[in-house]
Amino acid sequence: GENVEQHPSTLSVQEGDSAVIKCTYSDSASNYFPWYKQELGKRPQLIIDIRSNVGEKKDQRIAVTLNKTAKHFSLHITETQPEDSAVYFCAASRNQAGTALIFGKGTTLSVSS
Amino acid sequence: DSGVTQTPKHLITATGQRVTLRCSPRSGDLSVYWYQQSLDQGLQFLIQYYNGEERAKGNILERFSAQQFPDLHSELNLSSLELGDSALYFCASSVEVGGGSEQFFGPGTRLTVL
Repeated sequence: GENVEQHPSTLSVQEGDSAVIKCTYSDSASNYFPWYKQELGKRPQLIIDIRSNVGEKKDQRIAVTLNKTAKHFSLHITETQPEDSAVYFCAASRNQAGTALIFGKGTTLSVSS
Repeated sequence: DSGVTQTPKHLITATGQRVTLRCSPRSGDLSVYWYQQSLDQGLQFLIQYYNGEERAKGNILERFSAQQFPDLHSELNLSSLELGDSALYFCASSVEVGGGSEQFFGPGTRLTVL
């Protein structure tokens, strides 16, 4: 089955800096790669996702890149703000019946002002 | 608010006991997923139901079982509870049967086993 590795497990940046979180996956048939943000004590929420027919996707200060050959994808947050502090989870899925999202173990991002 | 509801919010029980967690998906969503979140394991996928049928199974213990009812709400049953079962249990719902669409998470049930 699918296995998703996520690095780093913790990341501390200064406000205004960029943050990058990387994930690798094992199943070459995976074709859907979402990122979820979980603030302390709250539910995970989707912030951006990418499908395998796209190499990069941006939404304001966040972007995700996908390298299918190397089987890795990354989340980029620019101009970080204190409210970006949270746990970020990457995930991968085959997007077919009988499969489910497999999550990485999460990255705790701390943005200090 | 994601539209997914979970009850109860908190549950405190003793080892060896049995509990039932309940989830109601967003209106129109047919898929329900259950996850276990503990400090060192992230979000562990347990099981998925789609329109009443089990469709995918993850790292779910034999002591755990789930079902989805005709009104699409789902219940996760945890029995013979152990200390290590203490965790936050999330359910999520989505429109599709596969894992390739946004999943909307409920607020979670925090289970404490003493």
